[in-house]
Amino acid sequence: ETGVTQTPRHLVMGMTNKKSLKCEQHLGHNAMYWYKQSAKKPLELMFVYNFKEQTENNSVPSRFSPECPNSSHLFLHLHTLQPEDSALYLCASSQGREGYSPLHFGNGTRLTVT
Amino acid sequence: RKEVEQDPGPFNVPEGATVAFNCTYSNSASQSFFWYRQDCRKEPKLLMSVYSSGNEDGRFTAQLNRASQYISLLIRDSKLSDSATYLCVVNHSRGSTLGRLYFGRGTQLTVWP
Repeated sequence: ETGVTQTPRHLVMGMTNKKSLKCEQHLGHNAMYWYKQSAKKPLELMFVYNFKEQTENNSVPSRFSPECPNSSHLFLHLHTLQPEDSALYLCASSQGREGYSPLHFGNGTRLTVT
Repeated sequence: RKEVEQDPGPFNVPEGATVAFNCTYSNSASQSFFWYRQDCRKEPKLLMSVYSSGNEDGRFTAQLNRASQYISLLIRDSKLSDSATYLCVVNHSRGSTLGRLYFGRGTQLTVWP
């Protein structure tokens, strides 16, 4: 299934590096999301974009910077991350309002901060 | 109190067994409910939505009890391929703003031959 594609699949970066995660959805959905999944914790919503407008920033530190140039593409720019930021980062999309339409997830980027 | 609470398990059952998971949610205004399945090192995938009257999809049955604020998932005739983590997901809207989805930590199921 290639509805939501994320790259890279794995990323190892130092605390001083700058990197970007990319997400693309081919489902014609209008909403896109970034989630963080840490071990033994529930998925945490980070950002929501609806029709490429950011509608939610869930108190995410500024070292994470999202960008949504259009309804099909979503980026997460990373800089000066901390080791505790190591996690699985999942992009998702949905048609319609969040919480009413099912989410379609990408396969995630497994990030390790050294 | 957490928005969504699940027993993390693990549940270890033999093939053919029936297994049930429960999930409780804290906000009585929640309106939409889902079960997602997540295989090891993979992304979550929607298993089924949960409707007020309860609904069934093959071997899977979902129930909603609004009065007690819990959701259940019943799996009959378990298969090895059912081994996964099952995530309970609940929506909570806040007035005119977009609703939020809240995920439980997940319940791990292992089906053994």
